[in-house]
Amino acid sequence: DVKVTQSSRYLVKRTGEKVFLECVQDMDHENMFWYRQDPGLGLRLIYFSYDVKMKEKGDIPEGYSVSREKKERFSLILESASTNQTSMYLCASVDGNQPQHFGDGTRLSIL
Amino acid sequence: QKEVEQNSGPLSVPEGAIASLNCTYSDRGSQSFFWYRQYSGKSPELIMSIYSNGDKEDGRFTAQLNKASQYVSLLIRDSQPSDSATYLCAVPRGGGSYIPTFGRGTSLIVHP
Repeated sequence: DVKVTQSSRYLVKRTGEKVFLECVQDMDHENMFWYRQDPGLGLRLIYFSYDVKMKEKGDIPEGYSVSREKKERFSLILESASTNQTSMYLCASVDGNQPQHFGDGTRLSIL
Repeated sequence: QKEVEQNSGPLSVPEGAIASLNCTYSDRGSQSFFWYRQYSGKSPELIMSIYSNGDKEDGRFTAQLNKASQYVSLLIRDSQPSDSATYLCAVPRGGGSYIPTFGRGTSLIVHP
């Protein structure tokens, strides 16, 4: 069974901090994704990666960057955290056109 | 961007009834369709995939796909209070893309 692991379930940071969210998958999937989910807005794609060191902007990349140095690991970086980045962050991985597998999510609060 | 539309609900049904959840999509080229269940505070989990027209059954769940009318439905028979959750429809963006567009979800409440 696919396992997608996010490093933290809950995280509290201060405005202006640089924040790292980590995601690891164990199924050798090529494709990995970062989403944020907010009430009434659904899942919104921030960035995705289709190979090591390859990344593409999603629908709302502003204020974020990503890193994929190894196939199994995909990191989301908030360069200078702001309160409007308080949200639930979800990582997912997938092989081809199969359904995505999600991690447990990180609930991030920026104070 | 291709659209995936769901009624936000809440859809309220009594225990034991059939819950019917609907999703429409705009991209006629879409080939695969997914239903996820998301409990409050948790991440989405896949419950059904469907790739061809018609019905697909898995236990109490049935997915129905009608590509001509561009809708996909999820039926939950013998609804239980534990089915209370938000149900997300996901459709790849088409043109060979594997990136799904998610609907905003329908909230289902099953009351005893």
